[in-house]
Amino acid sequence: EAQVTQNPRYLITVTGKKLTVTCSQNMNHEYMSWYRQDPGLGLRQIYYSMNVEVTDKGDVPEGYKVSRKEKRNFPLILESPSPNQTSLYFCASSFPYEQYFGPGTRLTVT
Amino acid sequence: SQKIEQNSEALNIQEGKTATLTCNYTNYSPAYLQWYRQDPGRGPVFLLLIRENEKEKRKERLKVTFDTTLKQSLFHITASQPADSATYLCALSTPHRGYSSASKIIFGSGTRLSIRP
Repeated sequence: EAQVTQNPRYLITVTGKKLTVTCSQNMNHEYMSWYRQDPGLGLRQIYYSMNVEVTDKGDVPEGYKVSRKEKRNFPLILESPSPNQTSLYFCASSFPYEQYFGPGTRLTVT
Repeated sequence: SQKIEQNSEALNIQEGKTATLTCNYTNYSPAYLQWYRQDPGRGPVFLLLIRENEKEKRKERLKVTFDTTLKQSLFHITASQPADSATYLCALSTPHRGYSSASKIIFGSGTRLSIRP
């Protein structure tokens, strides 16, 4: 089954404790992206990747890192999470434009 | 800065009527415009894509128009059903130079559509 998976689905953590949210797709898509969704602000793109080892900033990249070492995986790294990063995060993949979204990761930073 | 507005935060209509949602944008020249459906707590699901050189696209009960002069897209659901109740998002993108995929993608904040029986 074609899908995008994210782990974990739910995470509660404390300020400053590094964390990684994994994203994997099995559709051999070149493009992958991370979004955060907040009430009233909609979906905002954090980072995107056009292919292996090629990444670029979206609209809200501050406080996040990404890497794309393999085509199927695109992890999101929060080196020092802060409460304003509490949000619902979605990973997506596409080729070329129709995006497939993962189920989401609900992150709470206390 | 680039801006997308989905004019109605919420729209309530009677079952069987046509729902029309609006997406306006400024300071942007997108090559592609997409519409997604999102149900509560779930990821968006792709519905339709329309290119800048296309005026209209249809898929079953769905129709999208794209007016690059007005900088506006209209999304229509005909013969609406309660199962069509969801939030609908529009998204704009341009091709990334040297790649076959998009560069940055910008989403509107969505319109919550409710279809009453």
